[in-house]
Amino acid sequence: SQQGEEDPQALSIQEGENATMNCSYKTSINNLQWYRQNSGRGLVHLILIRSNEREKHSGRLRVTLDTSKKSSSLLITASRAADTASYFCATDRSMLTFGGGTRLMVKP
Amino acid sequence: GAVVSQHPSWVICKSGTSVKIECRSLDFQATTMFWYRQFPKQSLMLMATSNEGSKATYEQGVEKDKFLINHASLTLSTLTVTSAHPEDSSFYICSARAQGSYNEQFFGPGTRLTVL
Repeated sequence: SQQGEEDPQALSIQEGENATMNCSYKTSINNLQWYRQNSGRGLVHLILIRSNEREKHSGRLRVTLDTSKKSSSLLITASRAADTASYFCATDRSMLTFGGGTRLMVKP
Repeated sequence: GAVVSQHPSWVICKSGTSVKIECRSLDFQATTMFWYRQFPKQSLMLMATSNEGSKATYEQGVEKDKFLINHASLTLSTLTVTSAHPEDSSFYICSARAQGSYNEQFFGPGTRLTVL
């Protein structure tokens, strides 16, 4: 069953703006991962944040994790048209369980 | 980095036929492989988990006699959709967990199945 719920389901922004996507989950986790998927393609792993971490950065990506609220956010700064894709969070206990995803469109 | 391939990348078949999809870990040994299904504009749903040399564990609601999974070696898992019907049309994605790794899964590029 799908553990993570993502918000918003769809997001449209202008190039250069920041994009924030949120993920909520229901049970305890070992870690939480964010993935990107271009239309009709496979998944690309973006970042993993462990349950004892609160924030992690990778390039233009910033991920936060609040285990007390069972939520995570992915921030993409200075977005580019090439960032247009679907973004999924996935919680990891013994297997990955994916959220519903956020479809991001970055307009040039 | 770890690479997972899938073959074929897309397949069109007639209703009632069986289709086999291969998932290979190219540069690492995968003790565990996962099969997901994704319908348009939806998330990935785990179908089954397969461990090398043992029977796959299917998620609730997934028919094991319809979706046959074989994980005969540390680098290859196959998913066979038997007697495919139009409602089986979907994007099938595999992932592999490396031997000795707990967290990382590496995803294949997916296989688009269209059943006419």
